[in-house]
Amino acid sequence: GAVVSQHPSRVICKSGTSVKIECRSLDFQATTMFWYRQFPKKSLMLMATSNEGSKATYEQGVEKDKFLINHASLTLSTLTVTSAHPEDSSFYICSARRIAGGRETQYFGPGTRLLVL
Amino acid sequence: GQSLEQPSEVTAVEGAIVQINCTYQTSGFYGLSWYQQHDGGAPTFLSYNALDGLEETGRFSSFLSRSDSYGYLLLQELQMKDSASYFCAVSPGNNRKLIWGLGTSLAVNP
Repeated sequence: GAVVSQHPSRVICKSGTSVKIECRSLDFQATTMFWYRQFPKKSLMLMATSNEGSKATYEQGVEKDKFLINHASLTLSTLTVTSAHPEDSSFYICSARRIAGGRETQYFGPGTRLLVL
Repeated sequence: GQSLEQPSEVTAVEGAIVQINCTYQTSGFYGLSWYQQHDGGAPTFLSYNALDGLEETGRFSSFLSRSDSYGYLLLQELQMKDSASYFCAVSPGNNRKLIWGLGTSLAVNP
């Protein structure tokens, strides 16, 4: 399967600071990437759809000024959690969408655990 | 609304066969995917069905019936390492967002 990397894998920060998470598609070009958030024992919650060269599409209830997304190239999307607070602590996962042979697949990065103190 | 239903928990023993069902109600349908997620990890892609029938990949198989809005993931010769959460997801077609089920937690016991 395709490889998607995510960095950092774990971050601890103080309340009020900003954290940037990078998502890279290593072996295919991804026009579309997705950012998810997941709480323990819960399903994935889509936060936004990141489109290369255009603005991200945010899901209802997700603050776009809080969670800044940049998809500057076909292999890189970044999520910046601005002025992080303890309630932003979560597991953030990105995925890159690939369509090949009539099959649509999302390949996930390994995730980033954010802990805001 | 759009929804996917799958059992919340399934328990089985090593060597057994288990089937995880997924029924969906969506405004469009492009394909049904299955993902595996171990505790503490990210989801990994298992299978994809766009057409009716069975797709086999090693010990795992996935089935789709579009007329019944139903699919299942079949895991054979269960191993302890198969203990994980399994999510079904529908690609609705027009917008590209996957619609996720809530996941099935599979526990494989000795």
